[in-house]
Amino acid sequence: QKEVEQDPGPLSVPEGAIVSLNCTYSNSAFQYFMWYRQYSRKGPELLMYTYSSGNKEDGRFTAQVDKSSKYISLFIRDSQPSDSATYLCAMSVGDDKIIFGKGTRLHILP
Amino acid sequence: EAQVTQNPRYLITVTGKKLTVTCSQNMNHEYMSWYRQDPGLGLRQIYYSMNVEVTDKGDVPEGYKVSRKEKRNFPLILESPSPNQTSLYFCASSLGAVYNEQFFGPGTRLTVL
Repeated sequence: QKEVEQDPGPLSVPEGAIVSLNCTYSNSAFQYFMWYRQYSRKGPELLMYTYSSGNKEDGRFTAQVDKSSKYISLFIRDSQPSDSATYLCAMSVGDDKIIFGKGTRLHILP
Repeated sequence: EAQVTQNPRYLITVTGKKLTVTCSQNMNHEYMSWYRQDPGLGLRQIYYSMNVEVTDKGDVPEGYKVSRKEKRNFPLILESPSPNQTSLYFCASSLGAVYNEQFFGPGTRLTVL
């Protein structure tokens, strides 16, 4: 079983819809959970960062961590065409190593 | 402007010809890291550095070397490149550990023939 699993998509949704992106993981020692967004031909940029379990909200974005299920989610409300990108989940046990998911390609259809 | 720069942005080379990809940041960050990104495999950490003269292996270090002689620079060295090192490479830096916000460079697309 891979350490971090993420559906590569592509995921296409109409503008204004709620988007749900997910990752599962196998290492119960992960404590830090991140979501990065990567536009085509650009480097990733951090969207959300969560420590341990719970929810975190930032504008239209909500990150959820369920450590009991080893499952993390990113929700995007009122999705916009500018949200079209690849979304990468990432995790760390708290040392200096980080494991990324393979990324989910998201298309928001105008 | 706060940024991470990489050079070159594109490179085509041949098997066995040593090359260096430079990375520089102007944010006084302690932590720097190199990644490679491949279709179907995602973003994988090659090496990282917690500070000057302190480096360690990530998930895929084989065939790569790094050095951190100055805080701002973190070059990636391929002593004898092979075709399986054809990839998109990113350098990143952050103020603290890796779970803090990492700032990524624009990427270097390397092709090894």
